[in-house]
Amino acid sequence: SSELTQDPAVSVALGQTIRITCQGDNVRKFHANWYQQKPGQAPVVVIYGTTTRPSGIPDRFSGSSSGDTASLTISGTQAEDEADYYCESRAISDDHPVFGGGTTLTVL
Amino acid sequence: QVQLQESGPGLVKPSETLSLTCAVSGGSVTDNYWSWLRQSPGKGLEWLGHIYYSGSSGDTHYKPSLKSRVLISIDGAKNQFSLKLSSLTAADTAIYYCARLNVETAVLTADLNWFDPWGPGTLVTVSS
Repeated sequence: SSELTQDPAVSVALGQTIRITCQGDNVRKFHANWYQQKPGQAPVVVIYGTTTRPSGIPDRFSGSSSGDTASLTISGTQAEDEADYYCESRAISDDHPVFGGGTTLTVL
Repeated sequence: QVQLQESGPGLVKPSETLSLTCAVSGGSVTDNYWSWLRQSPGKGLEWLGHIYYSGSSGDTHYKPSLKSRVLISIDGAKNQFSLKLSSLTAADTAIYYCARLNVETAVLTADLNWFDPWGPGTLVTVSS
C-alpha cells in the first residue's frame, strides 16, 4: 500500500477551482511533487518542491502543504486539465521516492 | 532541452531478464541523477531506482523490494543509461519510463527532488 493517500477520483465544473490532496506523514518532513498524466502519455511535473511551478506550466496550478497533507489546486479549471494526478514524496523509512495512488480529475 | 528515449524488447518470457536502455539527448548523463520507473496497466507509478554518474561506474539506489533483481548502469561515452530486471514474472508487465531526477540542495528545508523530463515510455509484456 502507498504511504501517500490520494482520493481515487474527483470532478470539477469547467472554470471552477479544485483541490487535490495527498496525505501522509512523509509530507511533514519532505517536499511533495505533483505530476499530470494524460492517457497514453508520460507524466509531466506541474509542481515540485511543494510550491514551485516549472516554466511552461499555467499559473492556474499551485501547490501547498499543511501538516500531513499536500495539495494541488487548479484555479479556473480548463477542459485540458482532465487527467490523472500523482503526488510524489520521499519514504520516511529510507528516503526513497514514493508515489501516491493517483487521482483522476474529471472536468464537467 | 533534455530529451529521453527508452528502447528494448516489448515482450519477454517469464524468468528471463529484461534489458532496457534510455538514450539521453540535449544533455549529458555525467550530470544529474537518472531514474527508471514503471506503471503497471491501469495502476500507479513506481520508482525502481536511480544512478549518478561517478567515473566509470555509478552511484546507485534501488527500491528495496526489488534490489535483488535490479541493476542500473550508465555509459558516459554513449550518453545513455540502462536497466536490467531479472527473474521476470507477469507482475513485471508495465510501461517502463526513464527520467531525470533533479536534485536541489536546500538549506532550511529538505532537499528538492523531482522527476523531469520523462521519456515517452515503453510497454514491456512478460508472457510465454
